[in-house]
Order: sequence, then C-alpha cells, then structure tokens
Amino acid sequence: GQNIDQPTEMTATEGAIVQINCTYQTSGFNGLFWYQQHAGEAPTFLSYNVLDGLEEKGRFSSFLSRSKGYSYLLLKELQMKDSASYLCAAMDSNYQLIWGAGTKLIIKP
Amino acid sequence: GAGVSQSPSNKVTEKGKDVELRCDPISGHTALYWYRQRLGQGLEFLIYFQGNSAPDKSGLPSDRFSAERTGESVSTLTIQRTQQEDSAVYLCASSLEAGGPYEQYFGPGTRLTVT
Repeated sequence: GQNIDQPTEMTATEGAIVQINCTYQTSGFNGLFWYQQHAGEAPTFLSYNVLDGLEEKGRFSSFLSRSKGYSYLLLKELQMKDSASYLCAAMDSNYQLIWGAGTKLIIKP
Repeated sequence: GAGVSQSPSNKVTEKGKDVELRCDPISGHTALYWYRQRLGQGLEFLIYFQGNSAPDKSGLPSDRFSAERTGESVSTLTIQRTQQEDSAVYLCASSLEAGGPYEQYFGPGTRLTVT
C-alpha cells in the first residue's frame, strides 16, 4: 500500500534549526511536496522536490532522496510564527497526492 | 487575483439531513480537489476533477457522498443523510492541471458539524 510517515510532534527553540523528516512509499513517484498549515487555517505550499538533492528557499530548505524514499524539511532561524503543522505529501504515478498526517511544530521562546 | 473560496464557512446540521458544500476554484485552474480533515488529523483525499470529469471517485467514503463540477469552475460536494462521523473540515483545492507537479491552492474550508 501507499504510506507516508512523519513524526507527530516536535519542539524547538526560537532562533534554532529544526529538521522534519518524512519517509514515503508510493506506487510510482512524481515528486514530494511540503505544506504548512497553521491551526484553523488551510495548508499553504512550501516546496516541491522531484530530483535528489537540496532545494533552498530563504529560511526553509527541502531535501529528497528518491532511492531511500526520504525527504526532510529544514527550518532555520526559527520564529514564533513558524509554529504550525507541516504536511508531507508524495505524488504517485497517477499524479495523486498521498498525504502524511502532519508534524506539529511547537516553537518555544 | 482571487483565491479559492468555499461556502459556507461553517455548517451545523442535524443527523440525517443533506448538506451541500460549494467550492469556487481559481480562475483557469482545470483541476479541483476535495479533502476531508478531521480534528488533529491529516488530509483525507475524497475526489478530484480534471475539467468537469472525475476520473477517480475511490476516495469517497460511502455512496452518501457525491460531487459534481460544472463549467470547469464551481464544484459542489453533497453529503446525504449526514452522520456524526461526517463532522470535519472539508477542504477544496485547485491547481493548473491534475496530471502534473502543480501545487494545490487551498480554500479556507467548510467546518461541518453534525449533531
């Protein structure tokens, strides 16, 4: 079956760095998305990876290893507003997104 | 430009009643998706449209759920004979096309409460 695994919750300190891991198993693969979802709000797009390697976008970076079925989202210089859930989603051979349950990130001052 | 809009934002209904949820996608987006999100959980895929066609209805939880899309624009998700387990936030998203690595833009959701 198809499956996405990511930690349920993580805690980090303001100004620090945090890495949120995601492993996936899908029927075929057409890329890996990361979305941010603040409590009570809709998800918003953060990043897309389809090739191996690191994609950097400001304070946020996303990494993909297709051979390992693994991705991570790296958040630097954490701010209180980064407190949110981070959703990992893999696109299968039918271009359908398979979503993880999300990682709730708690930032402490 | 305008984003994805959904209505109503909140809906409280009695068990057994039918409800209709509406989604207006971003203009020009040919793909439209419906998801369900229960409190504290991830997104559950329900159905998607490419144009006015729904190639994959396998995510619909039961035959009480149906959806349609007209004019390659607005979509409605109908839940008949609502049950308490239908209580959730229903999210709609649209993207340029379904068959490609296009990001999905989400609406604010409809919070459905079945009493």
